[in-house]
Amino acid sequence: AQSVSQHNHHVILSEAASLELGCNYSYGGTVNLFWYVQYPGQHLQLLLKYFSGDPLVKGIKGFEAEFIKSKFSFNLRKPSVQWSDTAEYFCAGGAFTSGTYKYIFGTGTRLKVLA
Amino acid sequence: EAQVTQNPRYLITVTGKKLTVTCSQNMNHEYMSWYRQDPGLGLRQIYYSMNVEVTDKGDVPEGYKVSRKEKRNFPLILESPSPNQTSLYFCASSLQGVNTEAFFGQGTRLTVV
Repeated sequence: AQSVSQHNHHVILSEAASLELGCNYSYGGTVNLFWYVQYPGQHLQLLLKYFSGDPLVKGIKGFEAEFIKSKFSFNLRKPSVQWSDTAEYFCAGGAFTSGTYKYIFGTGTRLKVLA
Repeated sequence: EAQVTQNPRYLITVTGKKLTVTCSQNMNHEYMSWYRQDPGLGLRQIYYSMNVEVTDKGDVPEGYKVSRKEKRNFPLILESPSPNQTSLYFCASSLQGVNTEAFFGQGTRLTVV
């Protein structure tokens, strides 16, 4: 079955620390991959997306993610986090399932950055 | 401005009292869907619609109804809400097909007492 899994449910970092959030997907065929961010009390916003081409994708606010097909992974990274990065992060995959394009979300990772 | 608009943002209701959460998008997207977000479970799809008059069940459709009479609107209906439907609900829209991204509404926090 198609699925997206996120390994870390809660992450606490100090400002300026480096961040890597894990995401693995289980899909057959072509897959689009996304990272969304949800700041406290807000809706989901797209951080970055991978459709094809360069497996290293750069998004907004200094985030990047690398698509590694052999590992079925799409980990999110940021070299130096800020207090304002405190949020919940969702990895998602999009692909055709039974003729319909569907998104499947991971369970999310809550990131808390300490000032 | 391209956006997905949900109303209301917050709603407290009693068990069994029918309610409707509205969702409207101004991007002419074919695909619209409803999700519920619960702690530790991420986002789970309730219903989706590929176009006008075309709707189908997602992963957790029990207790919900939807309709798609116009392309821009996709209301979520709870005919007889129960406390286990207390959750944060998001509407999303996108073009249909690969290489598209979903746009989300602001969310509706529903409490059923």
